[in-house]
Amino acid sequence: DTGVSQDPRHKITKRGQNVTFRCDPISEHNRLYWYRQTLGQGPEFLTYFQNEAQLEKSRLLSDRFSAERPKGSFSTLEIQRTEQGDSAMYLCASSLAAGIGTSGRTETQYFGPGTRLLVL
Amino acid sequence: EDKVVQSPLSLVVHEGDTVTLNCSYEVTNFRSLLWYKQEKKAPTFLFMLTSSGIEKKSGRLSSILDKKELFSILNITATQTGDSAVYLCAVGTSGSRLTFGEGTQLTVNP
Repeated sequence: DTGVSQDPRHKITKRGQNVTFRCDPISEHNRLYWYRQTLGQGPEFLTYFQNEAQLEKSRLLSDRFSAERPKGSFSTLEIQRTEQGDSAMYLCASSLAAGIGTSGRTETQYFGPGTRLLVL
Repeated sequence: EDKVVQSPLSLVVHEGDTVTLNCSYEVTNFRSLLWYKQEKKAPTFLFMLTSSGIEKKSGRLSSILDKKELFSILNITATQTGDSAVYLCAVGTSGSRLTFGEGTQLTVNP
């Protein structure tokens, strides 16, 4: 399977614990995105990387959230001191962009299966 | 703040019916509009629209964009139970982020 993969698929944790999610994008894709989706809502943008550079972060990404893409391939999203409000599906997507920074068009983003987080 | 609104939020039809899903948007620096289908897992890509008036088709699905009136529609003809899903509309703006609507929950009954 050459699509976007995410691990784990499900995570249950207690409030206050730290959790880390991993995303492996489609291999030739240089952009990687993180979104959060709660029940009955569309995905909300959190952050994105072009290669290893984190180019944009949403206001939703509080200081308890950190994302990395150290070698420009896989990415991790860490949530520290989890709260019940962090319970959601965390989706990763990837795309292939020509050039650095923004371009004149939107590339198609392909999504992974998501990590469903439940904070008790 | 960028905004994408979908209607209806839910729709129940019988197999064979034709449905029209609506998406309107208010964004700065519009670049493209995308439709995704989500069946209890990852959204799967359907269409990307960048120009007004050009219909995109894939089998029984079709979509069109009106950049003057700031909306798009997704049509599904001869619906099947396998079309039951949430259909998400998203708008791409400068900076590469996608702004999604709430989605339309479509249920097709046999």
